[in-house]
Amino acid sequence: DTGVSQDPRHKITKRGQNVTFRCDPISEHNRLYWYRQTLGQGPEFLTYFQNEAQLEKSRLLSDRFSAERPKGSFSTLEIQRTEQGDSAMYLCASSSTPKGSDEQYFGPGTRLTVT
Amino acid sequence: QQPVQSPQAVILREGEDAVINCSSSKALYSVHWYRQKHGEAPVFLMILLKGGEQKGHDKISASFNEKKQQSSLYLTASQLSYSGTYFCGTLGGQFYFGTGTSLTVIP
Repeated sequence: DTGVSQDPRHKITKRGQNVTFRCDPISEHNRLYWYRQTLGQGPEFLTYFQNEAQLEKSRLLSDRFSAERPKGSFSTLEIQRTEQGDSAMYLCASSSTPKGSDEQYFGPGTRLTVT
Repeated sequence: QQPVQSPQAVILREGEDAVINCSSSKALYSVHWYRQKHGEAPVFLMILLKGGEQKGHDKISASFNEKKQQSSLYLTASQLSYSGTYFCGTLGGQFYFGTGTSLTVIP
């Protein structure tokens, strides 16, 4: 197993454009998390899936953000009408352990720069 | 609900010990610890699932005081490779990472 992968690794976009990121979790993992991290801060929870169901979504997540996990495998995170404040590292993590444990394995992240 | 960590930053010489504390204002049911090196993704260190539990591997260990809603990470005989930012994390509906502790080990 090659671990969690994310694509693209870097994305530069102009304000107002839409962007989509992809995350491929470790194959047997049923949980998938999305986080956002800005410089000097810890990862900030965005949303998570158990299989294909989106179980939690941060109240901080505006309606410009949407995530999907069709078929419970890979996931996509879309940001519509990007703003400069969206510039950050977007991290994906996956896990396979029951609720209460959740040892998470992180992908390398997608660095988004909005100009 | 973000856990608060202390200290915010610490500098150690190789071989010295350090303790990082994590406190939550909400009840803790489990505590995770992660380390993140500059420019890299967080890496899982360990998880404590119940109060009173202590865990460790190599020279890094942790304890969890459920009643005080606190956890501590202990690094003994620190090595250069221990440098990074340490985060505790808790699960309460969503997953919350702590405020982070930057640890630098110098020769």
